[in-house]
Amino acid sequence: QVQLQESGPGLVKPSQTLSLTCTVSGGSISSGNYYWSWIRQPPGKGLEWIGYIYYSGNTYYNPSLKSRVTISVDTSKNQFSLKLSSVTAADTAVYYCARDFIDYTNSGGALQGMDVWGQGTTVTVSS
Amino acid sequence: QTVVTQEPSLTVSPGGTVTLTCASSTGAVTSGYYPNWFQQKPGQAPRALIYSTSNKHSWTPARFSGSLLGGKAALTLSGVQPEDEAEYYCLLYYGGAQLVFGGGTKLTVL
Repeated sequence: QVQLQESGPGLVKPSQTLSLTCTVSGGSISSGNYYWSWIRQPPGKGLEWIGYIYYSGNTYYNPSLKSRVTISVDTSKNQFSLKLSSVTAADTAVYYCARDFIDYTNSGGALQGMDVWGQGTTVTVSS
Repeated sequence: QTVVTQEPSLTVSPGGTVTLTCASSTGAVTSGYYPNWFQQKPGQAPRALIYSTSNKHSWTPARFSGSLLGGKAALTLSGVQPEDEAEYYCLLYYGGAQLVFGGGTKLTVL
């Protein structure tokens, strides 16, 4: 049973860099067919996909955040991380990590989805 | 900027049936967008319900089903239970590895 756990500072000052880590337990982050996502949810608002990474290091980012986001992976620690630079109050949110899977079917198609989520960690941007 | 639209709120009676939809600003939603559906209750992380249009996870109750309906992705709850009151989000996968969540539907069971 794979589990994800976010960790990192709960308070970040404006203009600084937000840094979070997601630790994967119960399975290997290097298993094929999985991407590892970051998602956030501002207070009282909906979900926003930030980006994801494959264990090889290939990354894909939300265009609206791409200039400020870096996602990296440490396979030796079974962790992946998020850095968001130049934060403002608008970056205050609950940050989730999640597992995104893709399965290829015998008929040549694919199934894709997000199945396992961490519990989330609250990050507040304030001086 | 791609926008995914859901009904802001819906109300259903216990035991009833309700359908939530998910539309894309780019046009009709097809299976190639791999529609996913999630349930979120207050103070909790989202829980996955449906992936790739209509596939259920092992933990998804039988009363939840996914489909394509009139150019949109749809989530149908049949025999609604009080514990189904929650926010529901859809997720679409766009080419170039871009993922976009809908704005969410607040489902009230009354």
